[in-house]
Amino acid sequence: GQNIDQPTEMTATEGAIVQINCTYQTSGFNGLFWYQQHAGEAPTFLSYNVLDGLEEKGRFSSFLSRSKGYSYLLLKELQMKDSASYLCAVFSGGYNKLIFGAGTRLAVHP
Amino acid sequence: GAGVSQSPSNKVTEKGKDVELRCDPISGHTALYWYRQRLGQGLEFLIYFQGNSAPDKSGLPSDRFSAERTGESVSTLTIQRTQQEDSAVYLCASTTGSGANVLTFGAGSRLTVL
Repeated sequence: GQNIDQPTEMTATEGAIVQINCTYQTSGFNGLFWYQQHAGEAPTFLSYNVLDGLEEKGRFSSFLSRSKGYSYLLLKELQMKDSASYLCAVFSGGYNKLIFGAGTRLAVHP
Repeated sequence: GAGVSQSPSNKVTEKGKDVELRCDPISGHTALYWYRQRLGQGLEFLIYFQGNSAPDKSGLPSDRFSAERTGESVSTLTIQRTQQEDSAVYLCASTTGSGANVLTFGAGSRLTVL
């Protein structure tokens, strides 16, 4: 089976740093994605990790440890517009498809 | 097209009616996914098409759900005898190739079953 876990909700303050964790158990692994989804909108791509380590892209960074089945998304210098759901998704080679976790709703407060 | 197009954007139907949702993927994208997203929930995988291969239907919740795609073109998701629990946003996404590639999502079709 496949299981992807992430916290349901998080809150943070504008200008701060927040880390959203994701743990997974899948049959086969071909990469992990993070997507952002604002309320009422379609998900948009943020980052992709297939090798262990940190991928940095502006204010957003994503980390992967394949041996631990663990990833995190780090958001720096938070802005109000970062209030959204953040979806962790694993491409399972065994199933050859992208499976999503339930998502983490992030609320950024002034 | 420039993006993934879905229609209708909103559909309100009565319990027991059939509905058909349409997805027009990005031209040249061989892979197409359908997901269901209930209010406040994550994306639930429904079905995956890759080129002319047999689709992966393992996520379809019941035999009332079916989907078709001809080649690498438009896909339709059909829900027969709709139930209130079918109310959700149905998202379509497409991508190139069969590997771990970035999905581009459509805006979704919001289905409300009364």
